[in-house]
Amino acid sequence: EVQLVESGGGLVPPGGSLRLSCAASGFTFRSYSMNWVRQAPGRGLEWVSYISASTRTIHYADSVKGRFTISRDNAENSLYLQMNSLRAEDTAVYYCATGRFFDAFDIWGQGTLVTVSS
Amino acid sequence: IQLTQSPSFLSASVGDRVTITCRANEGITSYLAWYQQNPGKAPKLLIYAASTLQSGVPSRFSGSGSGTEFTLAISSLQPEDSATYYCQQVNSFPYSFGQGTKLEIK
Repeated sequence: EVQLVESGGGLVPPGGSLRLSCAASGFTFRSYSMNWVRQAPGRGLEWVSYISASTRTIHYADSVKGRFTISRDNAENSLYLQMNSLRAEDTAVYYCATGRFFDAFDIWGQGTLVTVSS
Repeated sequence: IQLTQSPSFLSASVGDRVTITCRANEGITSYLAWYQQNPGKAPKLLIYAASTLQSGVPSRFSGSGSGTEFTLAISSLQPEDSATYYCQQVNSFPYSFGQGTKLEIK
């Protein structure tokens, strides 16, 4: 079964750090780019970050640039998002997703909730 | 690239045909996708490359357009189509989503 499973969310105070993980199974993880997308409570979808299959190309949304770092381990079929200097506005459900068809996101994880609050 | 969806809210009856429009503020060729999201769930890919139906998606969903104007059409609405729909451009970084269209089935 094709699957992405996120973990690592939780409650963190403003200024704190958190590392999200995304475990892939059922497809050739090393062949596809990966993304993080977030959704604040009651709000729409916001693309956060992209990493190419080879890790050579990385992009970030302006809202997280300089604070978040995306990485992947193709040997472990895993994607990561290191989040530093967290702010209240980073509170959201974070999804990992892969783009296998014209870069559209055809596989999504179930999401992991990050809450930034004191 | 900014994507503007219209309408933001739509109410229709079972069996109706509805359309949702997504406009980009600059050309994105055909690098546009449509997603359906139910409350508490991850989005589901419906359409990619503007008009290609994702495998397993009912044929009552269709997409059209290129450049700056795109349309998602749902013919013969079913109760399970009640959801929020988003367009997304993957033409250039930063990727972006429309603000969403909430579809209510009367």
